[in-house]
Amino acid sequence: GAVVSQHPSWVICKSGTSVKIECRSLDFQATTMFWYRQFPKQSLMLMATSNEGSKATYEQGVEKDKFLINHASLTLSTLTVTSAHPEDSSFYICSAWTSATPNEQFFGPGTRLTVL
Amino acid sequence: QKEVEQDPGPLSVPEGAIVSLNCTYSNSAFQYFMWYRQYSRKGPELLMYTYSSGNKEDGRFTAQVDKSSKYISLFIRDSQPSDSATYLCAMSAKKINQGAQKLVFGQGTRLTINP
Repeated sequence: GAVVSQHPSWVICKSGTSVKIECRSLDFQATTMFWYRQFPKQSLMLMATSNEGSKATYEQGVEKDKFLINHASLTLSTLTVTSAHPEDSSFYICSAWTSATPNEQFFGPGTRLTVL
Repeated sequence: QKEVEQDPGPLSVPEGAIVSLNCTYSNSAFQYFMWYRQYSRKGPELLMYTYSSGNKEDGRFTAQVDKSSKYISLFIRDSQPSDSATYLCAMSAKKINQGAQKLVFGQGTRLTINP
């Protein structure tokens, strides 16, 4: 149980285009989902926290107009990288939280984004 | 200064060795401490969770927290090749919303157990 999927697992796009990444909790309902970014040889950095049906809360330094987050249902959150640039190339990982297992976040496998 | 410091390694030890992984932190507000294991191209999975100083044991794994020194450790006994992965420490200051926690991660230590 407690499986989180991400789609796509990797994506290559041209500079200036937008990319949408999906995060799904497959067998539980996630009240809260988190989006992280991980650059090579660096730690996971929290980008934003989203709750179903409400606006996401972004961490300091993360542009909310560039990284659009939608948490439309208890099993799906999407991250859209708008007007992507090479510096946005990174590993994006989501995690999902449910009150049924309050001490744990369940992580997706990540999405590798490469912007040319 | 980073809030959480972790030696990225890589660390390579022979099978059966005791492994010690460590993190230091600067934010005294951290009160929840976790260790995650991450295999290549996979998301992190929770190994240990603790919120008090002292030791917590789970099978071959022992998590140790010293809040006075702002230092946490993970010990792996009788290490196996299948333990080869990146180990990340993570910390949280408080629970938000209905109990979810904003995590601050260390850089991760890449560990290889050699048969």
